[in-house]
Amino acid sequence: DIQMTQSPSTLSASVGDRVTITCRASQTISSWLAWYQQKPGKAPKLLIYKASNLQSGVPSRFSGSGSGTEFTLTISSLQPEDFATYYCQHYNTYLYTFGQGTNLEIK
Amino acid sequence: QLQLQESGPGLVKPSETLSLTCTVSGGSIDNSSYYWGWIRQPPGKGLEWIGTIYYSGSTYYNPSLKSRVTISIDTSKNQFSLKLSSVTAADTAVFYCARRTGGGKFDSWGQGTLVTVSS
Repeated sequence: DIQMTQSPSTLSASVGDRVTITCRASQTISSWLAWYQQKPGKAPKLLIYKASNLQSGVPSRFSGSGSGTEFTLTISSLQPEDFATYYCQHYNTYLYTFGQGTNLEIK
Repeated sequence: QLQLQESGPGLVKPSETLSLTCTVSGGSIDNSSYYWGWIRQPPGKGLEWIGTIYYSGSTYYNPSLKSRVTISIDTSKNQFSLKLSSVTAADTAVFYCARRTGGGKFDSWGQGTLVTVSS
């Protein structure tokens, strides 16, 4: 089974900061990776798909990159509404695996 | 606009079967472009994929849950359902239904429903 490991588990940052979250796969997964944002008590929201494609309606300060085994989600300039938990998710032959999550908190 | 809504009991006894239904509105569940899935999240923890179904009835399950999970679809009602048998307290979670589009991404989610396993 492919394991997805996110780092860091918790990230403290300030409004206006540029932040990067990393997701590593235990084996190569091409570009089959998505990123989600989840706020407390809410369902996850799709941000990025196929590693680097921005979902419709998502602000352009969010970007994704990577392929193979290492992927990153970058927020170019943090806004107050961006403080949330972020998950990566891999898709492989009808099976899906989520990373453990990164809690982005206000410094 | 597509909407998904989970429904079912919020409390299930240990060893019994958890049953949930997801009602889809604003779009047809038998659209060949989509799959439909269930994802759960224990309180304070991360997301776990449970399984996915296609409008034809083809199903795909998380290997770790496969022996206890059944997902079915009713295109006449625009609904799909989850059954999880022999539940324990470890199955207490918020359960989400979601639409899976091309590339394996879940682009629309229900609001989630908390199911507690307790006697």
